[in-house]
Amino acid sequence: AQSVSQHNHHVILSEAASLELGCNYSYGGTVNLFWYVQYPGQHLQLLLKYFSGDPLVKGIKGFEAEFIKSKFSFNLRKPSVQWSDTAEYFCAVGNSGTYKYIFGTGTRLKVLA
Amino acid sequence: ETGVTQTPRHLVMGMTNKKSLKCEQHLGHNAMYWYKQSAKKPLELMFVYNFKEQTENNSVPSRFSPECPNSSHLFLHLHTLQPEDSALYLCASSSGTSGQDQETQYFGPGTRLLVL
Repeated sequence: AQSVSQHNHHVILSEAASLELGCNYSYGGTVNLFWYVQYPGQHLQLLLKYFSGDPLVKGIKGFEAEFIKSKFSFNLRKPSVQWSDTAEYFCAVGNSGTYKYIFGTGTRLKVLA
Repeated sequence: ETGVTQTPRHLVMGMTNKKSLKCEQHLGHNAMYWYKQSAKKPLELMFVYNFKEQTENNSVPSRFSPECPNSSHLFLHLHTLQPEDSALYLCASSSGTSGQDQETQYFGPGTRLLVL
């Protein structure tokens, strides 16, 4: 069965620390990969996406993610987090050519000032 | 970000009530979606409409009834809900045409529903 796993449910970091959030998926075929962020009281916003090409994808606000096909992973990274990065982060995977995403359960990140 | 709007933002209803959630997108998209977001569970896709035609019903109980009168508007009609239906209901849209943006979804702020 298709699934998306985000292993870290809660992460607490101090400002300027580096961030890596894990996302692993179980999917057949060609996949499209996404990271969304939900700031407190706000709607889901697209951080970055991967469809094809360079497996290292850069998104907004200094985030990047690397697609490692052999590991079925799409981990999100940021070298130095800020207090304003406190939010919930969701990984999503979809088969290329369909409209159907599967989301992970999300990771709540809290950045301490 | 006002590309996808949802009303109401909060709704409290009894199990015998009938209510409707509304979603409107201002992005010129042709595909629209309903998701359910419950605590500690992943987002669950409920329905997909593409060019006003329903293309996905993810085994959703009949007490949830979607309606898509045109590509800009999507409704979710609610009837005889259960307390376990309390959740955040999210609407999303995507372009629905060829190209990578076809499959990139943009979300509204959600309607937080409480069923008593």
